Amino acid sequence: GNSVTQMEGPVTLSEEAFLTINCTYTATGYPSLFWYVQYPGEGLQLLLKATKADDKGSNKGFEATYRKETTSFHLEKGSVQVSDSAVYFCALKRSGNTPLVFGKGTRLSVIA
Amino acid sequence: NAGVTQTPKFQVLKTGQSMTLQCAQDMNHEYMSWYRQDPGMGLRLIHYSVGAGITDQGEVPNGYNVSRSTTEDFPLRLLSAAPSQTSVYFCASWAPTGYYGYTFGSGTRLTVV
Repeated sequence: GNSVTQMEGPVTLSEEAFLTINCTYTATGYPSLFWYVQYPGEGLQLLLKATKADDKGSNKGFEATYRKETTSFHLEKGSVQVSDSAVYFCALKRSGNTPLVFGKGTRLSVIA
Repeated sequence: NAGVTQTPKFQVLKTGQSMTLQCAQDMNHEYMSWYRQDPGMGLRLIHYSVGAGITDQGEVPNGYNVSRSTTEDFPLRLLSAAPSQTSVYFCASWAPTGYYGYTFGSGTRLTVV
């Protein structure tokens, strides 16, 4: 079946540190890959996406590259801020009217 | 503002009570879904719909019913609430073309005592 595995948290970083959150997936075919972010007390927001192999999604200083050979979509940011503290979800979606499949989420805390 | 609206935001139920969580979207999206979020479990799909009159089960459908009589609305019904249904529930919608991502509601926090 289709599944997403992401690194367990929580992750605690100092401000301006480099961030990597690992995400790997299992899926038939070539899914689209997403990172969603959930700020405290809010719903999920799309952070970035990639729809085919070698695509790089980017937004708000975050980046992730769709790596088909390693079935990965790791999230990176060069310099995190306190305002980046949130829960990050990796997700995949196969083509057609199929649902999003989420990883379990990784909580990031950034301290000043 | 266009988006997904969920009501209520908070609800406390007694075991055995029934209730309906409401979800409405005004983006004319064909696809709608319900997820529950539990600590350490991420988001798990309960039910989804690919259009009016069409629904299907997700990963954790037991104890929940849905219907889709209009494109806009996708209510989630708990017929006999159980403490195991204490969770945060999110509704989401999606269109197959254009913006290629789900739009989520702000969630309903349900406690069953």
